[in-house]
Amino acid sequence: NAGVTQTPKFRILKIGQSMTLQCTQDMNHNYMYWYRQDPGMGLKLIYYSVGAGITDKGEVPNGYNVSRSTTEDFPLRLELAAPSQTSVYFCASSPPGLGSNEQFFGPGTRLTVL
Amino acid sequence: KQEVTQIPAALSVPEGENLVLNCSFTDSAIYNLQWFRQDPGKGLTSLLLIQSSQREQTSGRLNASLDKSSGRSTLYIAASQPGDSATYLCAVKGAGSYQLTFGKGTKLSVIP
Repeated sequence: NAGVTQTPKFRILKIGQSMTLQCTQDMNHNYMYWYRQDPGMGLKLIYYSVGAGITDKGEVPNGYNVSRSTTEDFPLRLELAAPSQTSVYFCASSPPGLGSNEQFFGPGTRLTVL
Repeated sequence: KQEVTQIPAALSVPEGENLVLNCSFTDSAIYNLQWFRQDPGKGLTSLLLIQSSQREQTSGRLNASLDKSSGRSTLYIAASQPGDSATYLCAVKGAGSYQLTFGKGTKLSVIP
């Protein structure tokens, strides 16, 4: 089991460019999440999905879009990149349910917008 | 709105010491609390998950406790080793919520 994998590991974007951060999990988890981590701050939820075709906004969704066409994949799209989106992005997955489900995280994508 | 605080922000101890990391949260209506380890430039590794109905969980040299009514959790590390040096994050899942709310972490340095 590879767990949760993310690509790319690093990326530098210019202001106004777009990109997609990829996330794949092989644990057959229904739930998937995108978080961002800014220096010295706690992780904040951007979007989450409870299954294929179902997504919802988290705490900081502005400037991002997601889709979930399969159980395994949950890409995060940045449109019109801005310096405020410079951050480390983590994808996570968990078994279904609001209660006891432990979240498992990928290695992260470090994004810089110049 | 749930807020999670971790004190201290940084901690340096000599190898072999037992130590306690603290986590507090403002809303006691939680499903669970999770402790993570994060190494520099790396992702998060889940260490322990405590359900809201539990008081503690143990894994090897790690023991996490939860006092939901007072909004506190502690992570106890026994016989610390240099390999324990990392940032430790506490996160809670609120009742009715899908997201984890994270603290800012405690950066631990274990000096050989």
